[in-house]
This record gives sequence, structure tokens and C-alpha cells, in this order.
Amino acid sequence: DSGVTQTPKHLITATGQRVTLRCSPRSGDLSVYWYQQSLDQGLQFLIQYYNGEERAKGNILERFSAQQFPDLHSELNLSSLELGDSALYFCASSPRLGPTDTQYFGPGTRLTVL
Amino acid sequence: AQSVTQLGSHVSVSEGALVLLRCNYSSSVPPYLFWYVQYPNQGLQLLLKYTTGATLVKGINGFEAEFKKSETSFHLTKPSAHMSDAAEYFCAVSKDGTYKYIFGTGTRLKVLA
Repeated sequence: DSGVTQTPKHLITATGQRVTLRCSPRSGDLSVYWYQQSLDQGLQFLIQYYNGEERAKGNILERFSAQQFPDLHSELNLSSLELGDSALYFCASSPRLGPTDTQYFGPGTRLTVL
Repeated sequence: AQSVTQLGSHVSVSEGALVLLRCNYSSSVPPYLFWYVQYPNQGLQLLLKYTTGATLVKGINGFEAEFKKSETSFHLTKPSAHMSDAAEYFCAVSKDGTYKYIFGTGTRLKVLA
């Protein structure tokens, strides 16, 4: 158990809908990262927050957005969902912002878009 | 641009045999390199990482990896495979020396009894 929690574990929805994925980092960790894992694209970095502020963006679509709240939990919002958005979405956290900080991954949320 | 190549999407070894999972990277700056393991229906767990210093890095569960700059490689090894090692393994490099990871496509390790 990494200490990172993600809810829900599974999410099934229809095209065009909007969903919110939630992540609670390990106690004391200030950085939160979001990743998407799909068969087509592999594991891709989406976005990163540090202490409430967005710090880096990766291959995140404009239909997707995220935020980190004052209690440090984070939410990833996916809108206008398409079939291709079906994937496993991971959240990870680390204590600080450094590139060598170990990132601890949550168990993921499996999103299925029908 | 940084990239990571993992040779062999599937590797099978016998229990007790050497495990060798290959990873080559490209990086324009001194790289930070990582190996993660993913068990079925679980998130990724860090096995080991190379940042600076000693090029032979020891990790958890008896795994180790050697950073070879001249070969731009960071291969993962374990002297003796155990059934519990069956999982998917990902090599990653930090992009431009930042906290943005670039992951390889993964190698699924199967351990035969």
C-alpha cells in the first residue's frame, strides 16, 4: 500500500459525459501527479501540482483539467468524453518537487467510456 | 527529446534463472532513471532509481540495475527469478531532468515453474 488513495476504482460512463477522479496523496506529500495508461499510448504524464499550484503539463487534452485543493487532495476532471479516453488513470504523490523524489502511485481509476 | 526503449514486451524465464530486462534511453542531459513494477490490478511501485553517484543501483526484492552512459542503458537484473516476480516492469527517464517522467512501453515478465 503506497498511501495514495484514488476513488472511484472503476467508472463506466457514456460518450459526451463528464467525470471527476479523486486522489488523496500520502500524508505530508505536497506534489501530486496525474498519469494516463492506455493500450495505445502507454503510460503518459498528464499534469502536476505542487502545494496547490499547477507546475507542469504533459500530454493533457484541453477537455481535461485538474486542481489541487488546500487539503492537498487533487481532482482530475474529464469532459466531453470520447471512446479513446477509456484508460487507467493514476495519481502519484511525492514529498517535494525535485526530479529525483520518489513518486508513489495510487491503485488507479479504470475509466470505461461506452 | 528524451525517450525510453524497452526491448521485449514479453520475457519468460524459469524460476531460479537470471532475469534481465533491457532499457535504453536517450537524453540530452544527465538522466535520472527509474524502474517501476506493476502487479496486476495495482499501481506502480518503485524498484530502484539512479540519480548520481554509484552506477550500480540496488533496489527492492533483489533487483539491481547498472547505469552505463556509454551504452545509454539501464538494464534491470535479478540473479534468481521467483514466481512472485511475475509482473510488468517499466523503465522511466525524467524529462529534461525534471519531475516529468517518460515511461517505456513496459516488459511483462513471466516466471515459469
